[in-house]
Amino acid sequence: SQTIHQWPATLVQPVGSPLSLECTVEGTSNPNLYWYRQAAGRGLQLLFYSVGIGQISSEVPQNLSASRPQDRQFILSSKKLLLSDSGFYLCAWSTGAMTNTEAFFGQGTRLTVV
Amino acid sequence: LAKTTQPISMDSYEGQEVNITCSHNNIATNDYITWYQQFPSQGPRFIIQGYKTKVTNEVASLFIPADRKSSTLSLPRVSLSDTAVYYCLVGLALNQGGKLIFGQGTELSVKP
Repeated sequence: SQTIHQWPATLVQPVGSPLSLECTVEGTSNPNLYWYRQAAGRGLQLLFYSVGIGQISSEVPQNLSASRPQDRQFILSSKKLLLSDSGFYLCAWSTGAMTNTEAFFGQGTRLTVV
Repeated sequence: LAKTTQPISMDSYEGQEVNITCSHNNIATNDYITWYQQFPSQGPRFIIQGYKTKVTNEVASLFIPADRKSSTLSLPRVSLSDTAVYYCLVGLALNQGGKLIFGQGTELSVKP
């Protein structure tokens, strides 16, 4: 079966420090991969999505970047964190093999920038 | 992308049927309608997807009128564990260039 792993679960980082969040998917190949951020309250904001290795699409200009060095690995990074980068970060994957709208989300990383 | 409008919050009691309606007046021909559920501090979870008419699975039903400008998620006999935020999404299938765009959702509170 397919599983998605996202870590760490929580993170407290000072302003100006770098960030690296990792997400890996097991049990499938060539998934579509996504990074979302959820600020306080509701509403998930799509940050990046990828349909293949090295193919990254950015949805909003920001202090973050994403990379996909391997088929089932998606990394969210920042060189210098801002206070506004605090939030709940979620990685998700979907299969490109079926015509549907079902994506599978990881457990998320709660990032607090202090 | 089609914009969706749904109530900010709803209250219900255990054992009742809950219907959450979503408006999407500018839905495109190839768009699907999808509902997700999210518990606090967890990622959203897919509930149901439909294109037109009625879809039912073991968790919920989705009613879509002929004009597809709205949809209603129906949760039968809710329990306390159904307390969550429910999101209505409209867009292309993910393997056709679609992206999941989440709005503010409906916060459902189920009381004993």
